[in-house]
Amino acid sequence: EVQLLESGGGLVQPGGSLRLSCAASGFTFSNYAMNWVRQAPGKGLDWVACISGSGGATHYAASVKGRFTISRDNSKNTLSLQMNSLTGEDTAVYSCAKDVGDNAFNAFDIWGQGTMVTVSS
Amino acid sequence: QSALTQPPSASGSPGQSVTISCTGTSSDVGGYNYVSWYQQHPGKAPKLMIYEVSKRPSGVPDRFSGSKSGNTASLTVSGLQAEDEADYYCSSYAGRNNPGVFGGGTKLTVL
Repeated sequence: EVQLLESGGGLVQPGGSLRLSCAASGFTFSNYAMNWVRQAPGKGLDWVACISGSGGATHYAASVKGRFTISRDNSKNTLSLQMNSLTGEDTAVYSCAKDVGDNAFNAFDIWGQGTMVTVSS
Repeated sequence: QSALTQPPSASGSPGQSVTISCTGTSSDVGGYNYVSWYQQHPGKAPKLMIYEVSKRPSGVPDRFSGSKSGNTASLTVSGLQAEDEADYYCSSYAGRNNPGVFGGGTKLTVL
């Protein structure tokens, strides 16, 4: 079964850091670009970052560039998101999503259930 | 990067057709054929319904169709069914510097 399972969310103070992980199974992980997408409570979808299948290319939304780092370990079928300098505007459910190909941002055919990140003092 | 513009709500009766629009610019929707549509039921993960403007993934009913004209993409749901009631989001590739953008979402109500 094709599956994505996120972990690492929680409560963090403004200015703090958090590292999210996404474990993939059921498909050849290295063949596909992967993405992080977030959704603030009651709000719409917000693309965060993507990484190519090899890990050699990364792209970020302007709102997180310089603060967040996306990475992947193809030997462990794992995607990660290191988040630094967090603010209240980063509060959201963070989901990892598999792209249909290895291009930067095409379409996301598999989604995880997400992990909640709350930034508050 | 500005979000793509969608109407906040749409509605139709069972059996009718409804079309949801998604307006961008020549830098995103109008510039590339990488427009996708997602269906999201409350508390659930989004589901890919349409990709590359008009392609349907395996398992998506052919009642769902996509198109594009200029800077506006559209999702049409024909033969509305109760289970189609959900939030729908469009997305588009927007170039190498900031590739991804979503629409604000449209709540579809089946009357």
